[in-house]
Amino acid sequence: EPEVTQTPSHQVTQMGQEVILRCVPISNHLYFYWYRQILGQKVEFLVSFYNNEISEKSEIFDDQFSVERPDGSNFTLKIRSTKLEDSAMYFCASSEQGLNEQYFGPGTRLTVT
Amino acid sequence: KQEVTQIPAALSVPEGENLVLNCSFTDSAIYNLQWFRQDPGKGLTSLLLIQSSQREQTSGRLNASLDKSSGRSTLYIAASQPGDSATYLCAVSRNNAGNMLTFGGGTRLMVKP
Repeated sequence: EPEVTQTPSHQVTQMGQEVILRCVPISNHLYFYWYRQILGQKVEFLVSFYNNEISEKSEIFDDQFSVERPDGSNFTLKIRSTKLEDSAMYFCASSEQGLNEQYFGPGTRLTVT
Repeated sequence: KQEVTQIPAALSVPEGENLVLNCSFTDSAIYNLQWFRQDPGKGLTSLLLIQSSQREQTSGRLNASLDKSSGRSTLYIAASQPGDSATYLCAVSRNNAGNMLTFGGGTRLMVKP
């Protein structure tokens, strides 16, 4: 069964460093998403992406964040200058069409020290 | 702003019991509602998707209902098993281009053998 994959599973970085989280969505899906979950808190929406542009972004997704689809299979989330409060589990998701069922990857645990 | 609440926050039942998990949302203008399962430290597994025009969906021992006008959904699990132990999340989407999901805080279920 097709699934969303994410790499790395765990990333440790120092405050102020740039990180790139990678995702491979399900191959025939057209909509891509990033969410995050701070330990013990709700899953929060960051951004949605369709047709090589951002469809919607939350207040969390400020200028420190960016997304890119660098090729036909990868979808990345970049955090330019990490802060302690960026420590969280980051989930990538994809859906075949907008407003369809979203399928989530296993997540990348980001730890900022 | 959409708020999603799940009650109870935690639930412990003996194996074999039928149980109901509750989800409520403040803004009834949703497009669909999705139930997920999350195992500790893992990603989200989609269980059921209910479109706003539907009243219920069934998958195996799971049945989800939706009362959009009252802002409620329930997930019914029949004949619970220890393998059902996990956190169950509900999430709602609006009818807009971004397809952002707003999540509840989850119900942590433990099924004892």
